Amino acid sequence: EAGVAQSPRYKIIEKRQSVAFWCNPISGHATLYWYQQILGQGPKLLIQFQNNGVVDDSQLPKDRFSAERLKGVDSTLKIQPAKLEDSAVYLCASRPGTGGTDTQYFGPGTRLTVL
Amino acid sequence: LAKTTQPISMDSYEGQEVNITCSHNNIATNDYITWYQQFPSQGPRFIIQGYKTKVTNEVASLFIPADRKSSTLSLPRVSLSDTAVYYCLFNDYKLSFGAGTTVTVRA
Repeated sequence: EAGVAQSPRYKIIEKRQSVAFWCNPISGHATLYWYQQILGQGPKLLIQFQNNGVVDDSQLPKDRFSAERLKGVDSTLKIQPAKLEDSAVYLCASRPGTGGTDTQYFGPGTRLTVL
Repeated sequence: LAKTTQPISMDSYEGQEVNITCSHNNIATNDYITWYQQFPSQGPRFIIQGYKTKVTNEVASLFIPADRKSSTLSLPRVSLSDTAVYYCLFNDYKLSFGAGTTVTVRA
């Protein structure tokens, strides 16, 4: 079974530029998550999708971050404009259902460096 | 906010058993305790999950006492490749990660 795919793996931009990350979840997984992981910290949830609808985006900085999941499959996360404090690893995860005991499967992440 | 408390770091040597205890005083009746492992430059990976008593798989064991206010992840006979960050959390629709426990295994 193929895992969660993310691209690019690394990205370096200057502050105030824009950047986009792509995620392809495991086939058939209804729920998709984007996390931000700053160095030395645990992942922080940014947004959760159930199929193509947003379930939770309470921790997403909506003035600069946006995300979409068209057709309930792939997802993109965008930052516009980027700030220095956005330097982090952005992780995508998916799970089959909506809760209970099923587990989340994480992708390898995209490491963003903002200069 | 993370709902669990665990040590920041632990050191061990190859071949030893590593036990990481996690405190979760406010665990709810329907919460399952879940552990994830994260290697550098990788996303977290599910290790084990349990509700009560003991659960064992090919990687680890999880011990949960009757009051469920704590749990202990046991890694038997660790090797250098077990060096990673280990997270204790509840398996809910939204995972709340703390800082985790950095386990360093030395030769």
